[in-house]
Amino acid sequence: NAGVTQTPKFQVLKTGQSMTLQCAQDMNHEYMSWYRQDPGMGLRLIHYSVGAGITDQGEVPNGYNVSRSTTEDFPLRLLSAAPSQTSVYFCASSPTGLEKQFFGPGTRLTVL
Amino acid sequence: KQEVTQIPAALSVPEGENLVLNCSFTDSAIYNLQWFRQDPGKGLTSLLLIQSSQREQTSGRLNASLDKSSGRSTLYIAASQPGDSATYLCAVDLYGGATNKLIFGTGTLLAVQP
Repeated sequence: NAGVTQTPKFQVLKTGQSMTLQCAQDMNHEYMSWYRQDPGMGLRLIHYSVGAGITDQGEVPNGYNVSRSTTEDFPLRLLSAAPSQTSVYFCASSPTGLEKQFFGPGTRLTVL
Repeated sequence: KQEVTQIPAALSVPEGENLVLNCSFTDSAIYNLQWFRQDPGKGLTSLLLIQSSQREQTSGRLNASLDKSSGRSTLYIAASQPGDSATYLCAVDLYGGATNKLIFGTGTLLAVQP
């Protein structure tokens, strides 16, 4: 199993540009989440999904959209990038909401 | 609002020493608590998960304890090695199986000196 994969690993955007961060898992996990990690702030939940077709907001959802059309994929969309979205983004998955979460390697995003 | 605190923010110890990392949380109504390890530039690896009904979990040289009433958890690392150098994060689950929400602490950066 590849586990949780994220692409790209690095990305530089200009303010106002849009892009999609990709996340995929091959473990047939129902639960998937997106976090951002900022210095001194820890990891904060952006959006999460408890199954295909079901998504909900986390702590810091503004400026981000998600969808979950398949069990395997959970893309994160930035519609109009802002410098405040400069961060490291992690995708995670787990079989249920009560088990260990498996994290991807992260995407380091810089918005100029 | 649930807040998770980890003290100290950084710790340096000589190889072979036993050490304890601390995690405290303000709301004792948690479903479980996880300890993670993060290596520089990498993702997180879950080390131990303690359910709210449990007092401790062990894996190899790692032992995590949970005291819900006092809002505290500790991660004990026995006979530390340079390979243990990493950032250690704790996270609490407030919502159980209905969601996938975790509240993270800001971590303790551990350096084990050879």
